[in-house]
Amino acid sequence: GAGVSQSPRYKVAKRGQDVALRCDPISGHVSLFWYQQALGQGPEFLTYFQNEAQLDKSGLPSDRFFAERPEGSVSTLKIQRTQQEDSAVYLCASSAGSSGNTIYFGEGSWLTVV
Amino acid sequence: AQTVTQSQPEMSVQEAETVTLSCTYDTSESDYYLFWYKQPPSRQMILVIRQEAYKQQNATENRFSVNFQKAAKSFSLKISDSQLGDAAMYFCARAGGTSYGKLTFGQGTILTVHP
Repeated sequence: GAGVSQSPRYKVAKRGQDVALRCDPISGHVSLFWYQQALGQGPEFLTYFQNEAQLDKSGLPSDRFFAERPEGSVSTLKIQRTQQEDSAVYLCASSAGSSGNTIYFGEGSWLTVV
Repeated sequence: AQTVTQSQPEMSVQEAETVTLSCTYDTSESDYYLFWYKQPPSRQMILVIRQEAYKQQNATENRFSVNFQKAAKSFSLKISDSQLGDAAMYFCARAGGTSYGKLTFGQGTILTVHP
């Protein structure tokens, strides 16, 4: 596709449910990033992939958060046993890989935990 | 901690006028990048302008320019000839040279443009 595509755009989950958020990066982009943006805040880094390798997961807030990119293209962010504090917009971004390349963001997946 | 601070939660400007958004940052790295992103209500982050720390010349992109003061760790954004479509949330962000996509964002500044 022409840009970074995320699905679902909106998700309402009951507390305790598991959710999966999908990111389809720009074709050929080797680097993929996930960010979490709470209401009224700036985005915060969660994790980074280079191809299928997860090189940095230092921002994942707990072991309930898990991300994968098995074939080096599409990525899934999974949140287990969702809690109210997980309510946020989850932004995915991709870039061609090298420092200096533009980082392109998707429109995000809005998660509300009730 | 490598922080980014935007001290103006909200700013407003008249159409066709000029406005400056402030940003300061903290870093221990010598090689890093600075960015301004625009976020409309759709939530998609759109890159406005980028500055490499090793470049002394301030970056410009059409009506957008920055004032990069490396010693002061300041990185302000100037929008000239403001347009209604410039209204959005603006985020300042920093990335290290060795962790390019790991951006640290400020809290954002809401820009309102009055006709």
